[in-house]
Amino acid sequence: DQQVKQNSPSLSVQEGRISILNCDYTNSMFDYFLWYKKYPAEGPTFLISISSIKDKNEDGRFTVFLNKSAKHLSLHIVPSQPGDSAVYFCAAILVSGNTPLVFGKGTRLSVIA
Amino acid sequence: KAGVTQTPRYLIKTRGQQVTLSCSPISGHRSVSWYQQTPGQGLQFLFEYFSETQRNKGNFPGRFSGRQFSNSRSEMNVSTLELGDSALYLCASSLRPGQGVTGELFFGEGSRLTVL
Repeated sequence: DQQVKQNSPSLSVQEGRISILNCDYTNSMFDYFLWYKKYPAEGPTFLISISSIKDKNEDGRFTVFLNKSAKHLSLHIVPSQPGDSAVYFCAAILVSGNTPLVFGKGTRLSVIA
Repeated sequence: KAGVTQTPRYLIKTRGQQVTLSCSPISGHRSVSWYQQTPGQGLQFLFEYFSETQRNKGNFPGRFSGRQFSNSRSEMNVSTLELGDSALYLCASSLRPGQGVTGELFFGEGSRLTVL
């Protein structure tokens, strides 16, 4: 059973516009959420994270929003650039649970120039 | 400083064979995790090692095993390969367990296994 779900396998956005990637989770015990970015032939790299006690975290063009009541988080990229084209993985963890990161299936973002 | 190194990068095996994949973590990192990436399932956790001890194990059959050496290098082994084992196997290292929270978890480029 997937505890972290990314229901959109792919997303296509025009350069300069906003990209919104969505993620849902089922385990209400998760207390930290992260986004990783993966280019072809490379390993995933950490992008941004958010604690469950916050509802927003911003880092440059990247903002993550967390809606705990809906068990939903989203990653906003503004403005989108062609170099943002990659697979984005949502991940969650229960910090105190001595458990590893749980990843979603990923969303492939294509930013069209 | 050198990143996480995984070898081999690509390999092809046939059903029933076994395979061993290697991971050298970033110097000084003592925690190593393994993940399997497939198009249908995304990134799935296999195991985590710290100081030569397995700390966590994912929901994979016993054909998947791993170990960590005193120099923190890690290997994973898959025996009696099946077609469904075709995947990208990713290794990640950190100074200590739990650093996935801080983003201080660094992935290698992966070993792509094809089972024919």
